[in-house]
Amino acid sequence: GIQVEQSPPDLILQEGANSTLRCNFSDSVNNLQWFHQNPWGQLINLFYIPSGTKQNGRLSATTVATERYSLLYISSSQTTDSGVYFCAGGFGNEKLTFGTGTRLTIIP
Amino acid sequence: GAGVSQTPSNKVTEKGKYVELRCDPISGHTALYWYRQSLGQGPEFLIYFQGTGAADDSGLPNDRFFAVRPEGSVSTLKIQRTERGDSAVYLCASSFGGGHGELFFGEGSRLTVL
Repeated sequence: GIQVEQSPPDLILQEGANSTLRCNFSDSVNNLQWFHQNPWGQLINLFYIPSGTKQNGRLSATTVATERYSLLYISSSQTTDSGVYFCAGGFGNEKLTFGTGTRLTIIP
Repeated sequence: GAGVSQTPSNKVTEKGKYVELRCDPISGHTALYWYRQSLGQGPEFLIYFQGTGAADDSGLPNDRFFAVRPEGSVSTLKIQRTERGDSAVYLCASSFGGGHGELFFGEGSRLTVL
């Protein structure tokens, strides 16, 4: 099956800083999504981004499908951005395989 | 409902007991997924329904685990003869299906087997 590698595993930043999270896939996918898991465990869908670039406020994501990786950018970090960020990939409606996540801690 | 609803939010049971976890997906979503998440890990796929049928149950760890979705909406995950290793957060997600695979997750059911 697909292997999903995320980096870095942990990231500690000061409020206001910018960050880049990376996700590599062992095989091609046509369904790629980014999620934020808040400290209460709720998984929130951030982006559905099988290719190209999308932006939503301070967050943006870019997927280079031919090179099997995706990047999540967070600008002007806030304490509410803390949590674990997961990327997941698969084909169509089939199962998504998740990475082990990047734990982001934003210090006030 | 507005989001994916899971019940119970917490379940504590004894080893060997039977457990049912329920998932009510977003109205109109035809695809429904069950995942399991252990501490410090990413969600691990269990089973995927398209309508009433299980399209992929390759993630179910053994025959103690079973899931149904009889009317194509609510789904129940059933675990027989629970073991301590079954302790985890069980997550349900739904999507529109038909090639638009954006997943929306419920808050999960935390299962603790003593």
